[in-house]
Parts: sequence; C-alpha cells; structure tokens
Amino acid sequence: ETGVTQTPRHLVMGMTNKKSLKCEQHLGHNAMYWYKQSAKKPLELMFVYNFKEQTENNSVPSRFSPECPNSSHLFLHLHTLQPEDSALYLCASSQDPKGDYGYTFGSGTRLTVV
Amino acid sequence: GENVEQHPSTLSVQEGDSAVIKCTYSDSASNYFPWYKQELGKGPQLIIDIRSNVGEKKDQRIAVTLNKTAKHFSLHITETQPEDSAVYFCAASKNDYKLSFGAGTTVTVRA
Repeated sequence: ETGVTQTPRHLVMGMTNKKSLKCEQHLGHNAMYWYKQSAKKPLELMFVYNFKEQTENNSVPSRFSPECPNSSHLFLHLHTLQPEDSALYLCASSQDPKGDYGYTFGSGTRLTVV
Repeated sequence: GENVEQHPSTLSVQEGDSAVIKCTYSDSASNYFPWYKQELGKGPQLIIDIRSNVGEKKDQRIAVTLNKTAKHFSLHITETQPEDSAVYFCAASKNDYKLSFGAGTTVTVRA
C-alpha cells in the first residue's frame, strides 16, 4: 500500500449510470489529483485540489464531477459517460501544491463503460 | 504548456544488461524531473528524481542524468533483474503542481 487508497479497483457501468470513485490518503498531504491513464498515452491531468479547493480543471467534460470534502478525501462522480471514457483513473497526492516532492499514486480504478 | 517526449516506447533487455530510457522536454523553465515505475495492477511509484541544479543522481542500480542545455534527461538501470520489468514514466515540472508525463516505456527483462 502506498498510503493512497482508491475504491473500487474495478468498475463496469452503463452509459446511463451514475457512479462515484473514491480516493483517500492519510499521508498528511495537502494536494490531491485525478489523472486519466489510457493505453499508449501520457497520463492526463484532470483535476487538482489544494487544501480542498479546486485549483485546476484541465478542460474535463462536465460528465466528470470532482468533490473534495477535506484534504484527505477526493471523489470523482461519473454520469452519462461514453465508451471512450474507459480507462484507468488514478488518484495522487503530494505534500504541497508544487508537487516537487513527488506524487504518491493510488492503484487506480479500472473503469469500463459499456 | 510543457511537452515531454519519451523513447523508446518498448525496451527488451537481457537480464544483467543495462537499460536506458530518454526523455526530452520543451519548457526551459522546467526544474524538477521525476521518474515513475508502474507495475501491473498498480499505480505509478516514484523511483528517483533530479532537480535542475544537479547533473546526475544515483541510487543503487538506478541513475538519472540531466542535460539542461539540450533539454533532455535519461534513466539508466544497470544489472537489470526480472523485477525491473514494468512501465517507466518520466515527467517534468517547473516548480508548480502540474507534472507533465511522457507516454511511458514498457521494459521487459528477459531471463
């Protein structure tokens, strides 16, 4: 375990479903991130939260809705997704918003949209 | 924004040989360069990083070199072992929180 826990590990959902991904860290980090990892592509930054305030939305479609109730928890709410949204969704945290002490990643949620 | 290119996309080496992965970046203001290793079913894990005020850093069998003039940095793995088989990602940042990642290199160590 890295200290960043993501649930569920796997998720299959239909295009009309609503589901949520959860991320939890108890490392005392102040910044949390959502990344999308698709095959053969660089990791794509989706959202950044610093002290539970959103500081970055990297042009992500509104069908993805993040929530950060506190510095230890991060959610990604999903609704009316498309098959091309199938990917590994990674949560990460870092000690400070500069991220220059390195990110700690969770193991990810493998999402399949059918 | 920052653009990080990584080569090769796949690398197969004989156990005991060395592996080298190279990355280039576009933003000359970038000053932090981490490397991540991702094993099957896991998230990326930081293995080594280097800052722009250093040209080389070593940690046991892993080393990273940085050439700021040419804007490229490399990961060197010596005496490769089967457990080194994984996907490796380079990244670059200019002292903010947005790491830009390369597309990854799948390393296979043949026994």
